[in-house]
Amino acid sequence: GQQLNQSPQSMFIQEGEDVSMNCTSSSIFNTWLWYKQEPGEGPVLLIALYKAGELTSNGRLTAQFGITRKDSFLNISASIPSDVGIYFCAGQASGSRLTFGEGTQLTVNP
Amino acid sequence: DGGITQSPKYLFRKEGQNVTLSCEQNLNHDAMYWYRQDPGQGLRLIYYSQIVNDFQKGDIAEGYSVSREKKESFPLTVTSAQKNPTAFYLCASSINGNQPQHFGDGTRLSIL
Repeated sequence: GQQLNQSPQSMFIQEGEDVSMNCTSSSIFNTWLWYKQEPGEGPVLLIALYKAGELTSNGRLTAQFGITRKDSFLNISASIPSDVGIYFCAGQASGSRLTFGEGTQLTVNP
Repeated sequence: DGGITQSPKYLFRKEGQNVTLSCEQNLNHDAMYWYRQDPGQGLRLIYYSQIVNDFQKGDIAEGYSVSREKKESFPLTVTSAQKNPTAFYLCASSINGNQPQHFGDGTRLSIL
């Protein structure tokens, strides 16, 4: 099956710092999604990417669909305490099921 | 409000007992999904349904069963055959199998 490697596994940063996390795949995807999950809740969709090279922003969040179609990254600028949570990437090839990364646990120290 | 509703939020199961987790959506989505999440881990697909009256096994279907008699409902039964049922269960839906999935708030199942 398709493999998704998400890194880093966890991050501990100071408020105000920028954050970057990424996902790489062993195969080509047509769609990349980024979700955030807070404790005891379901993941919430942050950004959806549909085209190689696409760069999309949602407030302080920016995500890119890699040119090779095998990777994607998510950046968070000027982090704040409410950014704390687990960030998941997910990729999907045409006609296939959505595959999730293992998640990046983000901790922001005030 | 439109959305995905999972109930109950917390559920306790006795040994040898079957329990059913509810998932309802009023988004008019064709596709629905059940995932299992263990502490510190990602999401693993249990079952999914692309259309009413049809469903397929995911990666960890053993010990679970589902039904899709109505478009808006996709209940998951955790049977006594599932030997390690303690986990956080997430239901999701999407317009179709190629569109982003949206999640409910989950049900946490524990063994008494």
